[in-house]
Amino acid sequence: KNQVEQSPQSLIILEGKNCTLQCNYTVSPFSNLRWYKQDTGRGPVSLTIMTFSENTKSNGRYTATLDADTKQSSLHITASQLSDSASYICVVSFSGGYNKLIFGAGTRLAVHP
Amino acid sequence: DAGVIQSPRHEVTEMGQEVTLRCKPISGHNSLFWYRQTMMRGLELLIYFNNNVPIDDSGMPEDRFSAKMPNASFSTLKIQPSEPRDSAVYFCASSPGTSGRAREADTQYFGPGTRLTVL
Repeated sequence: KNQVEQSPQSLIILEGKNCTLQCNYTVSPFSNLRWYKQDTGRGPVSLTIMTFSENTKSNGRYTATLDADTKQSSLHITASQLSDSASYICVVSFSGGYNKLIFGAGTRLAVHP
Repeated sequence: DAGVIQSPRHEVTEMGQEVTLRCKPISGHNSLFWYRQTMMRGLELLIYFNNNVPIDDSGMPEDRFSAKMPNASFSTLKIQPSEPRDSAVYFCASSPGTSGRAREADTQYFGPGTRLTVL
């Protein structure tokens, strides 16, 4: 079964600290993996995209890694800011058809001052 | 570009009433998606249109739900009759599809969502 699992479910950190969010997937065949950020009351917004041949991608203070062999990805946030408080959703594209997106349940991050 | 536009942003209705949600995708995008998001189940794909044609409606819960895309710039999701368990945030998303560069072809751009409450 095609699934995306994320951990932790929620996380609280202090402003300025770093954190790492985890994603494991069983989607096959695999096309690409994205991390989306969803602010409260808003729709998800794409942060990074990686294909199976890429193992790291950065977007400012966000760095995503991908290990296609172990089917694991992580999102590292450096020097967190209050505006990083949001849900982070790992999304895997299933290429057995029309590149259907399989969504993880998300990690809810709260950055406190 | 204004991005994906959804209306209404909030809808409160009573059980049994008909609800219609509206979506205007990003101009030039070939693909349109309707999702439902709840705390329990996260984001669930309801239906996917490509070039205005429904391609995958396997996520539509039951006959009470229907979706249309009469043209490239407008789509509706209708629930009739509505039930309390339909309460959720409904998102519309569009993607360039074949009209975009290969890498970005399936990047989905989400609207702000419609928060539906069925009493």
